[in-house]
Amino acid sequence: KQEVTQIPAALSVPEGENLVLNCSFTDSAIYNLQWFRQDPGKGLTSLLLIQSSQREQTSGRLNASLDKSSGRSTLYIAASQPGDSATYLCAVRDSNYQLIWGAGTKLIIKP
Amino acid sequence: GAGVSQSPRYKVAKRGQDVALRCDPISGHVSLFWYQQALGQGPEFLTYFQNEAQLDKSGLPSDRFFAERPEGSVSTLKIQRTQQEDSAVYLCASSLPGQGAYEQYFGPGTRLTVT
Repeated sequence: KQEVTQIPAALSVPEGENLVLNCSFTDSAIYNLQWFRQDPGKGLTSLLLIQSSQREQTSGRLNASLDKSSGRSTLYIAASQPGDSATYLCAVRDSNYQLIWGAGTKLIIKP
Repeated sequence: GAGVSQSPRYKVAKRGQDVALRCDPISGHVSLFWYQQALGQGPEFLTYFQNEAQLDKSGLPSDRFFAERPEGSVSTLKIQRTQQEDSAVYLCASSLPGQGAYEQYFGPGTRLTVT
């Protein structure tokens, strides 16, 4: 059974720092991996989707990498801003439709 | 609207009451998913529809949970005789055909509190 783990569970850093969030999964047979952002009381916003054949995806200050063989993905956030404060979730798609989720990393960027 | 919408956004139910949660997917999206997210946890899969057909309901936690999508567009998740452990955010997502690597688009969720 696929299991997704995110480390750390919470992270607090000063504004301007670069940071890395980690996601690991137990079964490398995945279709894709997505990183989401969730703000309190709001829905999920998809940040990046990496197909199983890809190694990384970039959007603005965000870069996500995928290493299927080792069951790992990282989300890199450059030059962090207070507006980046949110919970970041990763999810793997290991069947035709189901997403299996990590518990998230709660990120706080201090001004 | 262009996105997935859900209603109500917040629902407070007394233990034992029945509730119905609605999801309007993106127009043209064939696949529809329901997830349950407990406080401090990631979402967990509940059920999946392709058009009006419910292809997977393996994630529904008990027979008190029932989902339907009779015309292949709007979906309703019904919870009968609500219990406190049902308190969670219920998320709906839609996508183009479920097979393959299509992205799922999420609604804002319905926060259910059972008192």
